[in-house]
Amino acid sequence: EVQLVESGGGLVQPGRSLRLSCTASGFTFDDYGMHWVRQVPGKGLEWVSGISWNSGETDYADSVKGRFTISRDNAKNSLYLQMPSLRPEDTALYYCVKDKVAIVKTHTGAFHMWGQGTMVTVSP
Amino acid sequence: SYELTQPPSVSVSPGQTARITCSGDKLGDKYACWYQQKPGQSPVLVIYQDNRRPSGIPERFSGSNSGNTATLTISETQAMDEADYYCQAWDSINRVFGGGTKLTVL
Repeated sequence: EVQLVESGGGLVQPGRSLRLSCTASGFTFDDYGMHWVRQVPGKGLEWVSGISWNSGETDYADSVKGRFTISRDNAKNSLYLQMPSLRPEDTALYYCVKDKVAIVKTHTGAFHMWGQGTMVTVSP
Repeated sequence: SYELTQPPSVSVSPGQTARITCSGDKLGDKYACWYQQKPGQSPVLVIYQDNRRPSGIPERFSGSNSGNTATLTISETQAMDEADYYCQAWDSINRVFGGGTKLTVL
């Protein structure tokens, strides 16, 4: 059974940092691209960032480009999102998501399996 | 930036066919995916590459994509299908979601 368990969320003041983690199990982690997708409670989905199977390519939404950094450690079956300089508009539930394919910049990808999410709240 | 437009809501009677549309410029030239999200739960992939169903998704769910419109069709709709549905595509830069459609089964 595929499991994706996120951690690292919480309440933080604007301008502070958080690092989200996701631990994966139940599949061959280094065969697949991975992503972070966020959702403001009661609102729609927003793709945040993706990373290919071997970290060879990364991609970011314009809203976080230059601020957030995605990374992975295949030896630890783990995905990360470093989020410095947080803003109130970054407040959301952050999902760790497994792709159906190994690379991220492709029209054949899909957000196949989702974790339960970790909540990030940015407020004074 | 690329945009995908969905109707905010669709209603259907149990046993009938529900159709949810997703519109975007030349969307038919891209692959469309669909996700189902029930209240308090994480999204679930129900259709990928326009019309392929992941393992475990009922055959009642099907998809099509042509021109500027992708369509998710749910045949013989059941009460358990009531949920928010999101379309998604890759515009060669970002993975873009539609705003979501609330499907009500009444």
